[in-house]
Amino acid sequence: GNSVTQMEGPVTLSEEAFLTINCTYTATGYPSLFWYVQYPGEGLQLLLKATKADDKGSNKGFEATYRKETTSFHLEKGSVQVSDSAVYFCALSRGSNYKLTFGKGTLLTVNP
Amino acid sequence: DTAVSQTPKYLVTQMGNDKSIKCEQNLGHDTMYWYKQDSKKFLKIMFSYNNKELIINETVPNRFSPKSPDKAHLNLHINSLELGDSAVYFCASSRATDTQYFGPGTRLTVL
Repeated sequence: GNSVTQMEGPVTLSEEAFLTINCTYTATGYPSLFWYVQYPGEGLQLLLKATKADDKGSNKGFEATYRKETTSFHLEKGSVQVSDSAVYFCALSRGSNYKLTFGKGTLLTVNP
Repeated sequence: DTAVSQTPKYLVTQMGNDKSIKCEQNLGHDTMYWYKQDSKKFLKIMFSYNNKELIINETVPNRFSPKSPDKAHLNLHINSLELGDSAVYFCASSRATDTQYFGPGTRLTVL
């Protein structure tokens, strides 16, 4: 079946540090890939997505590239801010299968 | 304008009770979902409806019954609540298999 593996957290960084959160997936065919973010006490928000190999999703300074050869979709940001502190979820959906399969989430804390 | 809304935001109840959570979306989407987030933040799909028809029913106890009166609403009724039902429940919607948009969540606490 489909699965998503994210790097274990928590991740603690200082403001302006470089962020990478690793995400790899297992799926047949060509899934769509997503990063969702959950700020404290809130619901999930779509951060970015990519629907085919070599696509790069980007939003709010975050980027992730769909790498089919390594089945990866790592999230990066060049300079994090305190306001980026949240839980980040990698997820996939595949074709006519409506459901999202999520990774376990990675808690990011950014200190001033 | 709230795209996907849920009520209530918090729900505290005793074991054995029956409760409902409501979800509404104003995005014109045809597909709606319920997800459960456990205490470790793990998210798992429970149900999905497309055009009011059940299309996904994961291994969820029969005590959970979704109802979709129309394409804009998907409610979740839970009978005989148990301690293990304590979680955050998220509603989501999408246009077919396109991007899913989530509601703010309902935190259910069973005492």
